[in-house]
Amino acid sequence: GAVVSQHPSWVICKSGTSVKIECRSLDFQATTMFWYRQFPKQSLMLMATSNEGSKATYEQGVEKDKFLINHASLTLSTLTVTSAHPEDSSFYICSAREPSEPYEQYFGPGTRLTVT
Amino acid sequence: GQNIDQPTEMTATEGAIVQINCTYQTSGFNGLFWYQQHAGEAPTFLSYNVLDGLEEKGRFSSFLSRSKGYSYLLLKELQMKDSASYLCAALDSNYQLIWGAGTKLIIKP
Repeated sequence: GAVVSQHPSWVICKSGTSVKIECRSLDFQATTMFWYRQFPKQSLMLMATSNEGSKATYEQGVEKDKFLINHASLTLSTLTVTSAHPEDSSFYICSAREPSEPYEQYFGPGTRLTVT
Repeated sequence: GQNIDQPTEMTATEGAIVQINCTYQTSGFNGLFWYQQHAGEAPTFLSYNVLDGLEEKGRFSSFLSRSKGYSYLLLKELQMKDSASYLCAALDSNYQLIWGAGTKLIIKP
């Protein structure tokens, strides 16, 4: 199957700083990528849909000014957590969607963010 | 609204068979996915069904009934490594995935 990479795998940052997470689709050009967040022992929660060349679509309750998404190329989307707080500590997972049916989503390995 | 229902947790014995059910209500339907997620890892693809019937892939099989809005994932010859969460997700008319909360499967020796 297709490969999606994420970098970094884990990051520890201080409260108030910003963290950028990269998601790359290595095998195909992904016009659409997704960003998810998962707290321990909870299900995946879709944060936003990242569309190449246009603004991201955020799910209800997700602050777009806090979670900045940039999808500048067909193989790269970035999520920047600005002014991070301890409650932002979570597992962030991206996925890239195939450009044709069945539009399968391939997931990156995830990034574990810890804000101290 | 759009909704996916699946049991929160199931327990089964090593070597046995387990069936994880999923019911869905979506605006339009373009198929149903099953993913496996081990703790601390990202989900991995297991199966995709868009037509009614059973799709078999090794020890794992997935079934779909579009008229009933129902799917199940069947795991045979259970192994300890099958302990994971299993996520059901339906593709709506906009090709957006609607996710279930996942079923945590516990395998006992």
